[in-house]
Amino acid sequence: DTAVSQTPKYLVTQMGNDKSIKCEQNLGHDTMYWYKQDSKKFLKIMFSYNNKELIINETVPNRFSPKSPDKAHLNLHINSLELGDSAVYFCASSQQIGLDEQYFGPGTRLTVT
Amino acid sequence: GENVEQHPSTLSVQEGDSAVIKCTYSDSASNYFPWYKQELGKRPQLIIDIRSNVGEKKDQRIAVTLNKTAKHFSLHITETQPEDSAVYFCAASKGRASSASKIIFGSGTRLSIRP
Repeated sequence: DTAVSQTPKYLVTQMGNDKSIKCEQNLGHDTMYWYKQDSKKFLKIMFSYNNKELIINETVPNRFSPKSPDKAHLNLHINSLELGDSAVYFCASSQQIGLDEQYFGPGTRLTVT
Repeated sequence: GENVEQHPSTLSVQEGDSAVIKCTYSDSASNYFPWYKQELGKRPQLIIDIRSNVGEKKDQRIAVTLNKTAKHFSLHITETQPEDSAVYFCAASKGRASSASKIIFGSGTRLSIRP
């Protein structure tokens, strides 16, 4: 009974392509996040949505566009992929923003060649 | 801006010994301090957290201490075991339901337990 799920788990693509990563949570949480974890393991927040509304938008290239069709889903679309986009992307959710446990998805390893 | 510094970046301890990881934060309004453990190839998972109205919290072999005056908090793992080997992240956040409530993660500590 997966709490936070992401698809795909692995994504290998060429520079310039457009790709999407999907995330779903069945915990009934109001807040969802996208994080990027680079090769040095730094965990950096990219976006946060609360009840389908964008709350946090860090300094991320506008090639990255999140979309929340409902509060259980937060997808990430990336246009014109670059080599530097290679990383593991984690989706997460929590009941309250910044005040309680975040439940992470299994991650999507994106490799841009 | 808001910042969380974590030390050391790597830590190797003998099985059975204790491990301590330290973090400092810059925003004095921070009021929630979680610790996450990430095993190799897996997702980060919460192991313990502490709120600003508490100075110390313990859960079996794991404890966290918070010094609000000095703006630092620490993770203590006693009687370390091989399964404690992982990357540990501290984090700090504040408030609720506002744009200022994002959680800032430390840079991580890779803990290795020597048999």
